[in-house]
Amino acid sequence: GAVVSQHPSRVICKSGTSVKIECRSLDFQATTMFWYRQFPKQSLMLMATSNEGSKATYEQGVEKDKFLINHASLTLSTLTVTSAHPEDSSFYICSASGTDHEKLFFGSGTQLSVL
Amino acid sequence: AQKITQTQPGMFVQEKEAVTLDCTYDTSDPSYGLFWYKQPSSGEMIFLIYQGSYDQQNATEGRYSLNFQKARKSANLVISASQLGDSAMYLCAMREANTDKLIFGTGTRLQVFP
Repeated sequence: GAVVSQHPSRVICKSGTSVKIECRSLDFQATTMFWYRQFPKQSLMLMATSNEGSKATYEQGVEKDKFLINHASLTLSTLTVTSAHPEDSSFYICSASGTDHEKLFFGSGTQLSVL
Repeated sequence: AQKITQTQPGMFVQEKEAVTLDCTYDTSDPSYGLFWYKQPSSGEMIFLIYQGSYDQQNATEGRYSLNFQKARKSANLVISASQLGDSAMYLCAMREANTDKLIFGTGTRLQVFP
């Protein structure tokens, strides 16, 4: 089945630094990928829709300058948390759909901790 | 606006028993998809089952079945013969029409005890 790879799985960084998270579709092309955020014991909240070759679409309340999304190829989308602060500490997870739109495949997630 | 509601923050079930996790949804679109995912403590999202709004029959996948009641706008997940490994967070989600964007409910944390 389709596989989505997400790296890194865990990152700890100092406040003020930027962190890049990668999401790759390994055996299929994904024109659209999605980035979600999950706080402890809460559900997934959609942050943005990443479109290959065009600008990402951000959900209301998500700072586009804070969370930079790049989808330069059909198999790779990146989320960069710029100037990270402790309140950005969260679980970030991406998803993509393959040819079978009944299944949406998720990456394994990235736990970001900002000190 | 589309919305997913899971009213059970936590559920307990004894091993080998069946359990139903509730999910209701709200949408004005005639075409939509409903998903259930399992999220263990590791955080990974494991796809369980899918139901399309036009599907006539309830979806089933092994021990998982979806009790789809369109008029009531409910899509409850039924897990039969619970196993200890079923302990996890269960998330119900709806896909908007003509997109792969998912809207998630708040989840139900299931604990299976011996």
